[in-house]
Amino acid sequence: AQSVTQLGSHVSVSEGALVLLRCNYSSSVPPYLFWYVQYPNQGLQLLLKYTSAATLVKGINGFEAEFKKSETSFHLTKPSAHMSDAAEYFCAVSEEGAQKLVFGQGTRLTINP
Amino acid sequence: DADVTQTPRNRITKTGKRIMLECSQTKGHDRMYWYRQDPGLGLRLIYYSFDVKDINKGEISDGYSVSRQAQAKFSLSLESAIPNQTALYFCATSDWNRVHGYTFGSGTRLTVV
Repeated sequence: AQSVTQLGSHVSVSEGALVLLRCNYSSSVPPYLFWYVQYPNQGLQLLLKYTSAATLVKGINGFEAEFKKSETSFHLTKPSAHMSDAAEYFCAVSEEGAQKLVFGQGTRLTINP
Repeated sequence: DADVTQTPRNRITKTGKRIMLECSQTKGHDRMYWYRQDPGLGLRLIYYSFDVKDINKGEISDGYSVSRQAQAKFSLSLESAIPNQTALYFCATSDWNRVHGYTFGSGTRLTVV
């Protein structure tokens, strides 16, 4: 069965610092992987997705993630945090043919001025 | 207009009452999903539907029922609401053949008192 673990329910960084949000997955077959962002009082918005093409995936708002099969990881990074990045971030996995997403617990990102 | 519309946005109801949450979409997607979000637990799948005649239970379907009235409409019912069903509920749609992931509604915040 597929599953997702996000390490750290809260991450706090200073404005301009590197953002690193960790995601590890479990899947018996090559997965599809996603990162979503949720701003306060809003639904989830797709940041980026990995679908077996390039292992380094670039998304919106300067975020990117790298698929590492050997580590079963799909960590999200951004070189320089902005105040507007404060939100909750969800990693999700789906196996080809499963046709439904399994979400991690979420990581709340706080940006300090 | 939003691609995926959920009504109501907020609802307070009493224990034991029946309540329906509605979802409609203009994406033309065939797949629709209901998730609930709880702090620290991420999003958990309640029910999903791949077309009008196809309804499937998710991981936490007890106490819930659904109806797919049309391709564009998917409603979630709580037959007899209880306080631990207090949560944020999201409807989502997908066109899985394109591996686009999901499009989410803005959510319904339900409080059962």
